[in-house]
Amino acid sequence: QAVLTQPASLSASPGASASLTCTLRSGINVGTYRIYWYQQKPGSPPQYLLKYRSDSDKQQGSGVPSRFSGSKDASANAGILLISGLQSEDEADYYCMIWHSSAVVFGGGTKLTVL
Amino acid sequence: QVQLVESGGGVVQPGTSLRLSCVASGFTFNTYAIHWVRQAPGRGLEWVAAISSDGNNKYYADSVKGRFTISRDNSKSTLYLQMNSLRAEDSAVYYCGRGGTYSSDGADCWGQGTLVTVSS
Repeated sequence: QAVLTQPASLSASPGASASLTCTLRSGINVGTYRIYWYQQKPGSPPQYLLKYRSDSDKQQGSGVPSRFSGSKDASANAGILLISGLQSEDEADYYCMIWHSSAVVFGGGTKLTVL
Repeated sequence: QVQLVESGGGVVQPGTSLRLSCVASGFTFNTYAIHWVRQAPGRGLEWVAAISSDGNNKYYADSVKGRFTISRDNSKSTLYLQMNSLRAEDSAVYYCGRGGTYSSDGADCWGQGTLVTVSS
């Protein structure tokens, strides 16, 4: 079982909200981790969006709109990237990341389609 | 502004070596950990290695451990990735990314990447 699992794809309409999940493997408690989120568009490097551990330990990337926000769902053992007021430019791949056992681990990524 | 510029990619044969470089500017290089991440065509991001700000601590993905070596020259604001015994599955775009104070901090800025193709 992968350390981080993300849905392969997600579709949402312009103006709506999209909730992207990053589920941690059983036995790894999401509460103790700082989760990073990246956006990547075709042909471009990843762009840092934000990091989130708790409401008192979070950081928005420079220039990243406030409609991108992070949270956690402890019951699902998952990190969440919420994108509100979806725009066509939000169509991209989204990756979560944690530092685990002295290594960086990326989720497999979610392809977000805005249509 | 923060800038990272990778170089050194190319087409090489399996079993050979290659050294990538990443030149940093716009920030105090010797106070940041740095990561290497790669992305094979059509695939997701795969972390490769990280190095602490002083170069004393190095971390590697299992897939490259024993073959790749990460290093840095803080006097030149430059990061390196020495890649030996290259395999076809090492073919990817390699990105360097600025971490944080600690090696466990994720990257907040990435270079444009350099393409490595391992093929006979």
